[in-house]
Amino acid sequence: SQQGEEDPQALSIQEGENATMNCSYKTSINNLQWYRQNSGRGLVHLILIRSNEREKHSGRLRVTLDTSKKSSSLLITASRAADTASYFCATALFAGGTSYGKLTFGQGTILTVHP
Amino acid sequence: DAGVTQSPTHLIKTRGQQVTLRCSPKSGHDTVSWYQQALGQGPQFIFQYYEEEERQRGNFPDRFSGHQFPNYSSELNVNALLLGDSALYLCASSYRKTGRAWETQYFGPGTRLLVL
Repeated sequence: SQQGEEDPQALSIQEGENATMNCSYKTSINNLQWYRQNSGRGLVHLILIRSNEREKHSGRLRVTLDTSKKSSSLLITASRAADTASYFCATALFAGGTSYGKLTFGQGTILTVHP
Repeated sequence: DAGVTQSPTHLIKTRGQQVTLRCSPKSGHDTVSWYQQALGQGPQFIFQYYEEEERQRGNFPDRFSGHQFPNYSSELNVNALLLGDSALYLCASSYRKTGRAWETQYFGPGTRLLVL
């Protein structure tokens, strides 16, 4: 089953604009990660934020995490046509022993950036 | 440094058949996870292999089985294929043994399976 929901399901913007995607989840987590997927191919890891962190930056990406609301947001600044892809959030919970690395994904947001 | 590789890239099978998908992890990685991604959905965790044993399993029936070899490569087997098994099957590798390296998984390009 999916961990939660992503919002919006689809987002269409012009090059140079900022894109914001939101993710909600249901259970406790150790970290939350964002992935990009181009045209139904493999997933590319973008950024990871741990449960004790509130904000993280990587290049044009900014991720926030609010564990009290069980939500995260991904901001892509100054978007480019090459950013067109599906974006997924995924949560991981390390419960000890055998639970290494199991990721629970959201439904994804389809981002289209028009040149 | 080769990333995660998967074979084949595409596969067409008919209902009731069996299929085997293969994955080679990123160099230095020892843990392989498999995910199923239906069209328009996020990936769903099938199972994870470490030290040649299944360590975790998602909500998938016993028709889905796997194997990990001494060189860390892995196979996913699906028996008695159903139309609903049509999906992109993704393999991800990670390194479990030290620190927080396990947190980041590297995904392969996937195998697209179509069941007719």
